[in-house]
Amino acid sequence: DQQVKQNSPSLSVQEGRISILNCDYTNSMFDYFLWYKKYPAEGPTFLISISSIKDKNEDGRFTVFLNKSAKHLSLHIVPSQPGDSAVYFCAASDPGSGTYKYIFGTGTRLKVLA
Amino acid sequence: DAGVIQSPRHEVTEMGQEVTLRCKPISGHDYLFWYRQTMMRGLELLIYFNNNVPIDDSGMPEDRFSAKMPNASFSTLKIQPSEPRDSAVYFCASSRLKTQYFGPGTRLTVL
Repeated sequence: DQQVKQNSPSLSVQEGRISILNCDYTNSMFDYFLWYKKYPAEGPTFLISISSIKDKNEDGRFTVFLNKSAKHLSLHIVPSQPGDSAVYFCAASDPGSGTYKYIFGTGTRLKVLA
Repeated sequence: DAGVIQSPRHEVTEMGQEVTLRCKPISGHDYLFWYRQTMMRGLELLIYFNNNVPIDDSGMPEDRFSAKMPNASFSTLKIQPSEPRDSAVYFCASSRLKTQYFGPGTRLTVL
């Protein structure tokens, strides 16, 4: 049973436009969320995170929004650039573990068209 | 820092053979994680260590899988005997705080 879901396996966006990647979770006890970006033949790299006490966190072109009532988070990339083409994973912290154990979604492949 | 180092980068083996994947975490990190990536299930946590001690191995699929961390700078993930369904990319990650840093992964193909 997937506790963290990324229902869109792929997304295509024109360069300069906004990319919106979505993630849903089922466990209301999750208290920390992250987004990772992965290029082919490389490991995932950390992009941005948000604590459950916030509803928005911004870092340059990247903004993560958290809607706790809907158990939904999204990553906005504005403006999108061809170098943003990658697979994006969302992850949630499992508070029951007492440590930094994360549950990852299946990923969304973003393609930014020049 | 060199980042998390994994070896080999690619491994092709035949069913029934033993496979050993290796990981060197970032110096100073006290958590080490082993993940498996598949198309269907994304990134699955297999096992993680804290200060070289295995904390949670509930993600290890079967007894054929085992992991060790003999010291703070080295860990292995062993599959014996390997099966075609073990074919995947295996990642090692380490952390000191909340952010995990991943290695480049080992692509395993079991024929």
